[in-house]
Amino acid sequence: QSVLTQPPSVSGAPGQRVTISCTGSSSNIGARYDVHWYKQVPGAAPKLLIYTNTIRPSGVPDRFSGSRSGASASLAITGLQAEDEADYYCQSFDSSLSGNSVVFGGGTKLTVL
Amino acid sequence: QVQVIESGGGVVQPGRSLRLSCAASGFTFSGHAMHWVRQAPGKGLEWVASIWYDGTNTYYGDPVKGRFTISRDNSKNTLYLQMNSLRAEDTAIYYCARDLGRVITGMDVWGQGTTVTVSS
Repeated sequence: QSVLTQPPSVSGAPGQRVTISCTGSSSNIGARYDVHWYKQVPGAAPKLLIYTNTIRPSGVPDRFSGSRSGASASLAITGLQAEDEADYYCQSFDSSLSGNSVVFGGGTKLTVL
Repeated sequence: QVQVIESGGGVVQPGRSLRLSCAASGFTFSGHAMHWVRQAPGKGLEWVASIWYDGTNTYYGDPVKGRFTISRDNSKNTLYLQMNSLRAEDTAIYYCARDLGRVITGMDVWGQGTTVTVSS
């Protein structure tokens, strides 16, 4: 059971818009720790997609955008393309009485129909 | 170019030890926190351990606490993960990742991973 909750799968047709949610709690996203998003194609290493909630690294298309509100965050992908099919993970920091840790969501598989 | 390259993976029996290394190049290694993240076959990403840019603070995931030790040698631009008392559930691809900053934030550079298989 991951500390950050993501839907196991989402899907959309080419050209459509999809969103992937990432739900945390008061000890991580709700405590205003930043959220980062990664894309992983099968057989490859993860790649940073969005950092510090909303910032795209150089080379990431502006079809990808991130947001954070309260104890949740979202990744939106517009103009879906076949190459967007991959697994997507959110990540944040958690600070509680049991200590500090990096936390990942369980991942969301995006299927482009 | 900026890169990190893991090494040291292999097949090891339960209860034995293994040390992973991560060689960094193309950037100021001592200016970034570093992480180990693993991925078991068919599973999602699992955070293993992190270390600040200067090594003064380390953090561990609950499954590895007390068994694994993360360390770094900034003079050699190398990150390590000492893994003791290995279990079957430690079987995974282990990724080394660079942090965006000096302390713990996000991970902007990833290696290709090294595979650890724990089996008798």
